[in-house]
Parts: sequence; C-alpha cells; structure tokens
Amino acid sequence: EPEVTQTPSHQVTQMGQEVILRCVPISNHLYFYWYRQILGQKVEFLVSFYNNEISEKSEIFDDQFSVERPDGSNFTLKIRSTKLEDSAMYFCASSEGTPGQYFGPGTRLTVT
Amino acid sequence: DQQVKQNSPSLSVQEGRISILNCDYTNSMFDYFLWYKKYPAEGPTFLISISSIKDKNEDGRFTVFLNKSAKHLSLHIVPSQPGDSAVYFCAASSLGGSYIPTFGRGTSLIVHP
Repeated sequence: EPEVTQTPSHQVTQMGQEVILRCVPISNHLYFYWYRQILGQKVEFLVSFYNNEISEKSEIFDDQFSVERPDGSNFTLKIRSTKLEDSAMYFCASSEGTPGQYFGPGTRLTVT
Repeated sequence: DQQVKQNSPSLSVQEGRISILNCDYTNSMFDYFLWYKKYPAEGPTFLISISSIKDKNEDGRFTVFLNKSAKHLSLHIVPSQPGDSAVYFCAASSLGGSYIPTFGRGTSLIVHP
C-alpha cells in the first residue's frame, strides 16, 4: 500500500540553525501539507501546497518557514533559523484533493 | 480557541466492550468530520469520516455518529480489542476551508485484555 515517507525520523539542531525536513508524498496525490504537534498538544496545520504553490497557510507559518517541491517526488519544509519553540513532531501529509489526508510517520525536531 | 474539543484525555475499556469517544465542535461551518488513530512514533492514520448530510457512518467495528444540532460527534468501537489502544483524534473541516482539518487534542484509548 502506498505511504507517505519522511526523513529524518529525528533531527537535533542548535537554535538559530537552518533545518530541512523531507517528505515523499504518495505518488498520484496532488495536495501536500505540513502539520506540527508540540508535545502534549494538538496537531496544528502549517501549510498546504498545490500546483507548485502555497494554497493555504496558518499564522504559525511565518517568514521563517518555507516549502518547496524541488523535483517530482520530494516535498520539503525549511525552517530558516530555528527557535526552541520549534521543537515538535512535524508531519507531512498528502491527498488526492478529497477530504481525508494520508500522514507520514513524522520527524521529531529537537532544538537545543 | 478550541474549535474542536475532545474533553476526555483518556479512556480505559475492557476488551470486548464498547469504546465511545466523544468530540464537540463550535464552528457551524464545519461540514466534514474525521477520526484519526495514532500509534506512538507513527503519524495519524485516517479511520472513518462522516459528512454533515449524514448522521451515522459505519465501517466494520467502527461507527461515527453526528448530532449537528448539538455540534457533537462520537466514535463507537464495538467490540474493543487491545490493538485498538491508541490516541484517537477528532478532526473537522469545511469546503470553504479547503477541507484542511482542525484537530482536537486527542483521547488516549487503552483496551485491557
């Protein structure tokens, strides 16, 4: 069964450093998403991406964040200058456009 | 601003009995509701959904009930199995919101053998 994959599973970085989280969505899906879950809190929407551009973004997704689909398979989330409060699980998801998204296993980002 | 609320952080049920997980929402624009299941170290997995034009949707052991007037939905698992032990997230979305789900905080279900 097709699945969304994410790398790395765990990323440790120092405050102020740039990180890139990578995702490979399901191949025939057209819509891509990033979510995050701070420990003990709910899953929060960050951004959605369709047709090579951002279609929706939340107020969390500020200028420190960017997304890119550099080739036909990868979908990346870049955090330009990490802060302690960026520590969270980051989930990538994809969908065909109908309600219901398929989530990847997540990347745990730890900012020290 | 909690538009989707799961007021029970945890639920413990005996194997074979019914598990009922509850969810309330405040935004009347929501018209599509989903339940996701999450195991540790994995991403949320879509479980079952319901559109606002229905009040019940059933898939095997899982049934979701929607009460629009009360802005309440529930997930019933019958019979519960130890493998159902996971965190269950309720999510709500709308066509106007591009069907991007708003999640609740989750309920941790433990099914005892």
